[in-house]
Amino acid sequence: DAGVTQSPTHLIKTRGQQVTLRCSPKSGHDTVSWYQQALGQGPQFIFQYYEEEERQRGNFPDRFSGHQYPNYSSELNVNALLLGDSALYLCASRFRDRVGYGYTFGSGTRLTVV
Amino acid sequence: SQQGEEDPQALSIQEGENATMNCSYKTSINNLQWYRQNSGRGLVHLILIRSNEREKHSGRLRVTLDTSKKSSSLLITASRAADTASYFCATDTGANSKLTFGKGITLSVRP
Repeated sequence: DAGVTQSPTHLIKTRGQQVTLRCSPKSGHDTVSWYQQALGQGPQFIFQYYEEEERQRGNFPDRFSGHQYPNYSSELNVNALLLGDSALYLCASRFRDRVGYGYTFGSGTRLTVV
Repeated sequence: SQQGEEDPQALSIQEGENATMNCSYKTSINNLQWYRQNSGRGLVHLILIRSNEREKHSGRLRVTLDTSKKSSSLLITASRAADTASYFCATDTGANSKLTFGKGITLSVRP
């Protein structure tokens, strides 16, 4: 059973460009969250998708948008890239068991903006 | 904004020693989780402790939670060189269950 799969693993973009990152959740997980982790920092919550809708959003500008497909896979889009968008982008899928929610993280996409 | 604050920021120990890492947070939580991250890659879930639990064990890991002090500690016993990584605590307030992470602790275990 595959865990959370993210693609690509590394990406280099130029300031002002747009980027799309992809995430396939673990089988059976229906909720996907995206996090941004700058170098030397902890992950910061971007947004969460459930039933193809954005359910919660962190403190990120509208340049960050997302989508969830019927098969629960998700995309993170970032427009008008800034140098400060360089970070590791992590996707996490959420499941519910008898005692509450658990999370499985992917290995991340390392985005470098030059 | 970051809810959890880990302490110390960096820890260096000899293989075989125990490593204790602390986390403090600010608001009421549903649960607190600890994650490990190797070399800036993906996060690996280590252990979850719920707000009504005080202590939990998993293999060489022991986590405690004191909700009155809004703090948690992670103990790794008999450390190994492979435990070298960054460790993060993350809180889940239960409101749509997003995780709020601290800045992390860098643990180095010397062989």
